[in-house]
Amino acid sequence: EPEVTQTPSHQVTQMGQEVILRCVPISNHLYFYWYRQILGQKVEFLVSFYNNEISEKSEIFDDQFSVERPDGSNFTLKIRSTKLEDSAMYFCASSVRQGPLQVQFFGPGTRLTVL
Amino acid sequence: GENVGLHLPTLSVQEGDNSIINCAYSNSASDYFIWYKQESGKGPQFIIDIRSNMDKRQGQRVTVLLNKTVKHLSLQIAATQPGDSAVYFCAENYGGATNKLIFGTGTLLAVQP
Repeated sequence: EPEVTQTPSHQVTQMGQEVILRCVPISNHLYFYWYRQILGQKVEFLVSFYNNEISEKSEIFDDQFSVERPDGSNFTLKIRSTKLEDSAMYFCASSVRQGPLQVQFFGPGTRLTVL
Repeated sequence: GENVGLHLPTLSVQEGDNSIINCAYSNSASDYFIWYKQESGKGPQFIIDIRSNMDKRQGQRVTVLLNKTVKHLSLQIAATQPGDSAVYFCAENYGGATNKLIFGTGTLLAVQP
């Protein structure tokens, strides 16, 4: 069964450093998402992406964050200057289309630890 | 503001019993709801979904009930097994042009053998 994959599984970085989290969505999916989950808290929406554009973003997704689909398979989340509070699990998700009945399938996540 | 919340943070059941996990939502405009299961160290895994024009949907061993009058959602798991132990999240989609899912806080289901 096709699945979303993410690398690395765990990323440790120093505060102020840039990190890039990578995702390979399910191959026939057209909509891509990033969510994050701070330890012990709920999953929070960050951004959705379609047709090489951000279609929606949350207030969390400030100028330090960016997303890119550099080729036909990868979808990346970049944090330019990491802060301690960026430490969280970051989940990539994808769906065939948007809107109702479009199940978003999630990857296993990348645990980001900012020291 | 809008939120999706869970009544019970932890639910402990005996193997073989039925489990009921509850969720309250506050946005009456939401038209699509999903239950996800999250095992330790893994991403949310789709279980079952329901549209707002339905009040019940059944899957394999799982049933989702939607009560729009009181804005309540529940997940029923029949004959709960140890492999069902996980955190369960409900999520809502507001519909229209937005893609984002709004997740609840999660309920930990602990199945006792």
